[in-house]
Amino acid sequence: AQSVTQLGSHVSVSEGALVLLRCNYSSSVPPYLFWYVQYPNQGLQLLLKYTTGATLVKGINGFEAEFKKSETSFHLTKPSAHMSDAAEYFCAVSRIQGAQKLVFGQGTRLTINP
Amino acid sequence: ETGVTQTPRHLVMGMTNKKSLKCEQHLGHNAMYWYKQSAKKPLELMFVYSLEERVENNSVPSRFSPECPNSSHLFLHLHTLQPEDSALYLCASSYTGEGTEAFFGQGTRLTVV
Repeated sequence: AQSVTQLGSHVSVSEGALVLLRCNYSSSVPPYLFWYVQYPNQGLQLLLKYTTGATLVKGINGFEAEFKKSETSFHLTKPSAHMSDAAEYFCAVSRIQGAQKLVFGQGTRLTINP
Repeated sequence: ETGVTQTPRHLVMGMTNKKSLKCEQHLGHNAMYWYKQSAKKPLELMFVYSLEERVENNSVPSRFSPECPNSSHLFLHLHTLQPEDSALYLCASSYTGEGTEAFFGQGTRLTVV
């Protein structure tokens, strides 16, 4: 079975500061990993994904994540936070066969302080 | 305009009502999904439809009934719901290849009174 743990249900940073959102996964097979963002009253939008190849993945809006197999982690970072980054962020893992079935973490709400 | 469209965006229904949620995708995907998002809970996969399989989460009550008439349309029929069913219901679609991402609609905010 696959699972995802996001450390910290709420993260608060100052505008211009580094954003770090933590995600650890559990998977018995090589995972596919995703980060999604959800703005208020909206659906989920893909930020980035890791499938194979380069372990440092760049996404939209200046975000990136690094797949570390030894640590079973896929943390999301952004060098400089912007007010528009305030949202809820979800890490997800999927199985490799059949229809895409994402297993989500609990989500991390990111607040940006002026 | 999103590639996955859900209607209605908001729905208030009594416990004895019957209503349906609609989802349509314009992305040419061959799999569609219903997710439930409740406050302070992880997103819960309710149903999956694809060419290869239909999968139901066994923990989903029978008062939720999915229908997928074709690869572009997905419905969730609701009847005799409970207040705890109030949540954001998200539809998603994807290809069924390995590592492909799901695209989500904006959701239907359901309130059961």
